[in-house]
Amino acid sequence: GESVGLHLPTLSVQEGDNSIINCAYSNSASDYFIWYKQESGKGPQFIIDIRSNMDKRQGQRVTVLLNKTVKHLSLQIAATQPGDSAVYFCAERITGGGNKLTFGTGTQLKVEL
Amino acid sequence: NAGVTQTPKFRILKIGQSMTLQCTQDMNHNYMYWYRQDPGMGLKLIYYSVGAGITDKGEVPNGYNVSRSTTEDFPLRLELAAPSQTSVYFCASGGLAGVGSTDTQYFGPGTRLTVL
Repeated sequence: GESVGLHLPTLSVQEGDNSIINCAYSNSASDYFIWYKQESGKGPQFIIDIRSNMDKRQGQRVTVLLNKTVKHLSLQIAATQPGDSAVYFCAERITGGGNKLTFGTGTQLKVEL
Repeated sequence: NAGVTQTPKFRILKIGQSMTLQCTQDMNHNYMYWYRQDPGMGLKLIYYSVGAGITDKGEVPNGYNVSRSTTEDFPLRLELAAPSQTSVYFCASGGLAGVGSTDTQYFGPGTRLTVL
């Protein structure tokens, strides 16, 4: 089975609210994690990444949190906008795995006006 | 930089036909990847390459072949198309030539393939 999974397949939020997208992983040997955004008909777009020696990393309106104890990853989007509507994927890289990524199935984020 | 480009954008094949999906990157990346994405699913790795002349199988390589004769190009070949190969195919690249470790992968816009 997949080692990376998502808790919620669809997340609906009001414009202006904060969004939290969760991801569970099962391989303790994973050393690097990435969040991608995929809009309809387009390729995945890099949002933010985090290495396993970090707990938190912030970007512009986005924050990634990593809890290695429970193997959990989350993406927080502040002041969600209509343009944030997309499918969000988390991906993990296993140490020594040739820089290959394993992707989860994705969460659909819908922003309601 | 154009980034990662893929051609064609769309293609319909008949069962048993063959085709090559093209992928080119202009970021001087040493790592390149091919993924397929089925409806409502995540991406599954088909093949990858860590540099020119080096390729390796991913999670779902059956029915596909690749080559990497240059740093820039990484074509994916389907020899005998089957309905199970109906999917969206994404090429990605990462890292810089000469740098050993690479992280983020950057994706192309995808090729939507239908096999009838």
